[in-house]
Amino acid sequence: GAGVSQSPRYKVAKRGQDVALRCDPISGHVSLFWYQQALGQGPEFLTYFQNEAQLDKSGLPSDRFFAERPEGSVSTLKIQRTQQEDSAVYLCASSLRGTGGTEAFFGQGTRLTVV
Amino acid sequence: DAKTTQPTSMDCAEGRAANLPCNHSTISGNEYVYWYRQIHSQGPQYIIHGLKNNETNEMASLIITEDRKSSTLILPHATLRDTAVYYCIVRGYYGGSQGNLIFGKGTKLSVKP
Repeated sequence: GAGVSQSPRYKVAKRGQDVALRCDPISGHVSLFWYQQALGQGPEFLTYFQNEAQLDKSGLPSDRFFAERPEGSVSTLKIQRTQQEDSAVYLCASSLRGTGGTEAFFGQGTRLTVV
Repeated sequence: DAKTTQPTSMDCAEGRAANLPCNHSTISGNEYVYWYRQIHSQGPQYIIHGLKNNETNEMASLIITEDRKSSTLILPHATLRDTAVYYCIVRGYYGGSQGNLIFGKGTKLSVKP
């Protein structure tokens, strides 16, 4: 596809369940970002990849959150033992390069609801 | 923390120009100004970015003051579909975490018929 694709679009998880969220960036894009967006708030940075290297994971809220991008393209955000406070929209973005002069394109997001 | 401040909300009449201000008084020389918008239930959409010169594309114009401490996004003829939250962001040039996009709360623009 032409844009960033995320799946699933919606996910309902029972508290304590593990979830995996997938991001397919635009082909050839070096940089990939994950964001968390709570209801009524702006997106909050979680982690950043340049190719397969995770260069910044300072935004991950706890060690229950784990992200990978093993081949430098598709990325997966995993949340273990989900809690109600994890309910949010998870956004993925990619950009051709990681530098400030290039735009980042966002996917539609995955809405996670923990019940 | 976001390095920008924006009004919480603004209204604009359909067909008129919408001028959205942003203050980024601590911007450094290697940081770009980016604008994104987010329509309800969608991911943020890129609008425009600039370093120090004014920029224009098919969506909007970006006016950056000479001292680069503030900017204005202009939607020349707002339509109802432009109703969204607009985010002004500064982004470092050199990439890595400096290339990250730090979102604030944005401005909720309501275009009214």
